[in-house]
Amino acid sequence: DVKVTQSSRYLVKRTGEKVFLECVQDMDHENMFWYRQDPGLGLRLIYFSYDVKMKEKGDIPEGYSVSREKKERFSLILESASTNQTSMYLCASSLFVNQARNTEAFFGQGTRLTVV
Amino acid sequence: ELKVEQNPLFLSMQEGKNYTIYCNYSTTSDRLYWYRQDPGKSLESLFVLLSNGAVKQEGRLMASLDTKARLSTLHITAAVHDLSATYFCAVDVHRGSQGNLIFGKGTKLSVKP
Repeated sequence: DVKVTQSSRYLVKRTGEKVFLECVQDMDHENMFWYRQDPGLGLRLIYFSYDVKMKEKGDIPEGYSVSREKKERFSLILESASTNQTSMYLCASSLFVNQARNTEAFFGQGTRLTVV
Repeated sequence: ELKVEQNPLFLSMQEGKNYTIYCNYSTTSDRLYWYRQDPGKSLESLFVLLSNGAVKQEGRLMASLDTKARLSTLHITAAVHDLSATYFCAVDVHRGSQGNLIFGKGTKLSVKP
């Protein structure tokens, strides 16, 4: 079974802090994604990565950065946390689109971040 | 702008009834996925639809894909309380150098006795 593991289920951080959210997958997937989920807004893509050290902006990258130094690990960084970044953050991984017909994404358990 | 629209967004059903959730999308794609999310939990994969006319069934749920109409449906037969959850469809689109998923806003289903 595919396993995507996020480092924390719940986090509480102060405004202005630098926050790291970590995600690890064990299925050798090329693609990894970070989404945030807010009531009424659904899932919105923040960043994705299709290879080590490669990244592309999603729909709402402002205030975030990412790092992918190893294939299995994708980190989301909030450079200076703000209260409007309080949300549920979901990491996902999937196979490379040119190598597989099925590009189904597998999700981690989510990190509920509260910025106070 | 890429859009994936689900309707209804909220659905309250009685046990034993049938209903259909619709997922319309605005771009060409032949890969569509359905997910389920329970309150406070992450997304769990339900169905993978990879071609026009694809139909998949699991228990009381059946999903289908019409790529020409850019429409997928999730049909619920004889609903039971355990099906109460939020259901998302997601469409695979090419973005930059890779495909990725664009999600609908979800349909929150509540099945009442």
